[in-house]
Amino acid sequence: AQKITQTQPGMFVQEKEAVTLDCTYDTSDPSYGLFWYKQPSSGEMIFLIYQGSYDQQNATEGRYSLNFQKARKSANLVISASQLGDSAMYFCAMREVNFGNEKLTFGTGTRLTIIP
Amino acid sequence: DAGVTQSPTHLIKTRGQQVTLRCSPISGHKSVSWYQQVLGQGPQFIFQYYEKEERGRGNFPDRFSARQFPNYSSELNVNALLLGDSALYLCASSLFSGASTDTQYFGPGTRLTVL
Repeated sequence: AQKITQTQPGMFVQEKEAVTLDCTYDTSDPSYGLFWYKQPSSGEMIFLIYQGSYDQQNATEGRYSLNFQKARKSANLVISASQLGDSAMYFCAMREVNFGNEKLTFGTGTRLTIIP
Repeated sequence: DAGVTQSPTHLIKTRGQQVTLRCSPISGHKSVSWYQQVLGQGPQFIFQYYEKEERGRGNFPDRFSARQFPNYSSELNVNALLLGDSALYLCASSLFSGASTDTQYFGPGTRLTVL
């Protein structure tokens, strides 16, 4: 079974600084996808970035980048130049496809607070 | 384009009652998945439906059921509600095209409170 571990329950970061949110994963599947979602207090899960297990380069989407280290089974999210609007819960997830179905397995999340 | 929509936004029920939650996927998406998120935890997978068929089921009791309609919208039903069913219920849609980049996009959720 797949497992996602996020070891930082909460983080406080000064506005405009960069922040790294940790994520490690465990799977025996050679093909997998890793996702990061942002969840503001409103509750909606907002897709941020995707990394495929066979991707040679780290994914980037605007201020978001993914530090993918396959041998260490880690997929850390890096947010550059943090903004007050980045304050939210952040979830790392792994997509599993088996026997014609798909599901996401989520970590427990990291609550990020940006300090003005 | 409209995103995933869910209704209602909030619900308050009492133990033993039944509840129906509704979800409309992004246009063109044929797969709908349901997740339960208890306070302080990450979402847990409940069901996936694709082309009106159940494709996957998480570790939830038979009190939980779902269906998908010809227009790909979906309903999640929970019978005999327990206090522990209080949670945010999230619906996600995807193309489920077989591409590794298939992404699930989530709706705003339905917050269910069981008293």
